Amino acid sequence: GAGVSQTPSNKVTEKGKYVELRCDPISGHTALYWYRQSLGQGPEFLIYFQGTGAADDSGLPNDRFFAVRPEGSVSTLKIQRTERGDSAVYLCASSLSGDLGPLHFGNGTRLTVT
Amino acid sequence: KNQVEQSPQSLIILEGKNCTLQCNYTVSPFSNLRWYKQDTGRGPVSLTIMTFSENTKSNGRYTATLDADTKQSSLHITASQLSDSASYICVVTRNTGKLIFGQGTTLQVKP
Repeated sequence: GAGVSQTPSNKVTEKGKYVELRCDPISGHTALYWYRQSLGQGPEFLIYFQGTGAADDSGLPNDRFFAVRPEGSVSTLKIQRTERGDSAVYLCASSLSGDLGPLHFGNGTRLTVT
Repeated sequence: KNQVEQSPQSLIILEGKNCTLQCNYTVSPFSNLRWYKQDTGRGPVSLTIMTFSENTKSNGRYTATLDADTKQSSLHITASQLSDSASYICVVTRNTGKLIFGQGTTLQVKP
């Protein structure tokens, strides 16, 4: 597949549980972004990776949220002690260089916390 | 505060008609502005990207304009088609690489 792949596509979990969301960017893309989108809203920025490092993590809402990209390709967004308010679509996007290049989005992971 | 505001929030037009969507931003320092189309249940797809020095850019029936002095952008859709029904999102990039998204305009094209 040539696009950005996100797994799982849907995740239902109970309040208080831990979840991991995975993003496989387009091969060779150095920039990777995580967003979350609530119904009827535009995406809300969470974190931006340039290579292996988090260049900007100012969008992470609190310390329950953490993301890694250890080898500069696949990224995992980790949410601890999930709350019902965490329910949203979590979108991942990648771009070749992180500035002018077009962003390529995955189709998102729909997280539902019950 | 760095913000991106879009108007109208929603819009209904007849097939074949033209429409213009607006985006005002207060993001600084500015790097570039992008317009995205997002179909229901899908990730956003890029339509145009414009830097500070570009005033207009076209992509088929989509034409985006940018006035960096007034910090306004518009997306004009010509001869609308049913498949244009989607959310259109304006995204402004700061020079740190952080992207700030507008709430989007939901466009519905009716036959």
